[in-house]
Amino acid sequence: DAGVIQSPRHEVTEMGQEVTLRCKPISGHNSLFWYRQTMMRGLELLIYFNNNVPIDDSGMPEDRFSAKMPNASFSTLKIQPSEPRDSAVYFCASSWGGETQYFGPGTRLLVL
Amino acid sequence: AQSVTQLDSQVPVFEEAPVELRCNYSSSVSVYLFWYVQYPNQGLQLLLKYLSGSTLVESINGFEAEFNKSQTSFHLRKPSVHISDTAEYFCAVSENNQGGKLIFGQGTELSVKP
Repeated sequence: DAGVIQSPRHEVTEMGQEVTLRCKPISGHNSLFWYRQTMMRGLELLIYFNNNVPIDDSGMPEDRFSAKMPNASFSTLKIQPSEPRDSAVYFCASSWGGETQYFGPGTRLLVL
Repeated sequence: AQSVTQLDSQVPVFEEAPVELRCNYSSSVSVYLFWYVQYPNQGLQLLLKYLSGSTLVESINGFEAEFNKSQTSFHLRKPSVHISDTAEYFCAVSENNQGGKLIFGQGTELSVKP
């Protein structure tokens, strides 16, 4: 099993640009989670999906952030426009039946 | 509301010494409990979990954790640590009726010195 796949692994962009992070969950998993990790705030849950449907997006910081899951094998997290305070490591995780979550390697985002 | 507290932000120990990383949680319903480990510049890896049954759970690399319902704790222990155990450790809790939503503690940085 390839595990959770995230791309890109690193992203450097300038303030105001659109950023799209991608995630492929483990095949057969029906839940997908997006997290953000920073030194100041630790690990924060941004949004999660069950069976491709967003269940809880209360962690999404503001309207600049959006997430989609068009099918069971793909999800995107978009930031538009990006700001320096969005710099963080973004993790995607997936699970089956709401049990154990398996994490991807993360995308390290730097907004200049 | 659900919350997780890891009481130590940093734990320095010498190689082959025992270690305990503390985790307390608050919840009004039954929970699942997890420990994840994060090595530098990597994602989180599941170390061990408690879902039900025996309150003592073990990992393949010698860590163990005990679920204590009365004290709402899930402390992580290892009798003898190695240099390779140096990493950040996260405790997490999921309420059984929340569809798998995890709440993480702030993490404990374990630093093993020779």
